[in-house]
Amino acid sequence: RKEVEQDPGPFNVPEGATVAFNCTYSNSASQSFFWYRQDCRKEPKLLMSVYSSGNEDGRFTAQLNRASQYISLLIRDSKLSDSATYLCVPPDHGGSQGNLIFGKGTKLSVKP
Amino acid sequence: GAVVSQHPSWVICKSGTSVKIECRSLDFQATTMFWYRQFPKQSLMLMATSNEGSKATYEQGVEKDKFLINHASLTLSTLTVTSAHPEDSSFYICSASPSGRSYEQYFGPGTRLTVT
Repeated sequence: RKEVEQDPGPFNVPEGATVAFNCTYSNSASQSFFWYRQDCRKEPKLLMSVYSSGNEDGRFTAQLNRASQYISLLIRDSKLSDSATYLCVPPDHGGSQGNLIFGKGTKLSVKP
Repeated sequence: GAVVSQHPSWVICKSGTSVKIECRSLDFQATTMFWYRQFPKQSLMLMATSNEGSKATYEQGVEKDKFLINHASLTLSTLTVTSAHPEDSSFYICSASPSGRSYEQYFGPGTRLTVT
């Protein structure tokens, strides 16, 4: 089974800050990767789907660094509502049944 | 679109009883649904893969006779925790993927089970 490594945090940042998370993975030829966010005691929700080397959606930018084998999520102008745990699904980290293999997540806390 | 519901959202039961959790895809068909479990401060762990019209596939270490899965239609899968024990207390989450988009999984809101 492929392992997914994430810095668990917590990342405590003030409102308006820019914060970045990394997620390392084992070698893969795939470029598809995903970021989910999970609020406390809630289900994960798909944040970004990326089918190339990167994607930008508003304040969120996701990138793939194939040489160093990590994916990243950059959040600009952090909002209080961004406080959550961010789960990565790196390239080719689906199971044989199509399930997802998650990291433990990185906890972000945005303070006023 | 791509909404998944779960019922109940939380349940408290006594040790030794059985609990059934339903997972429904409301606006799409899902040939495959997944059941995950998450203990506090731990990652989501896949328990089993539920396939419509066939037997579920269980992950190693998950007892198929204890966690009964039925996927009777393209929009409904159920997980029954039989003879529940306190160590089964956890957050159970199902997910489903629209056809052809297997990595875009949409999760139900989860069921918090507490066994006393």
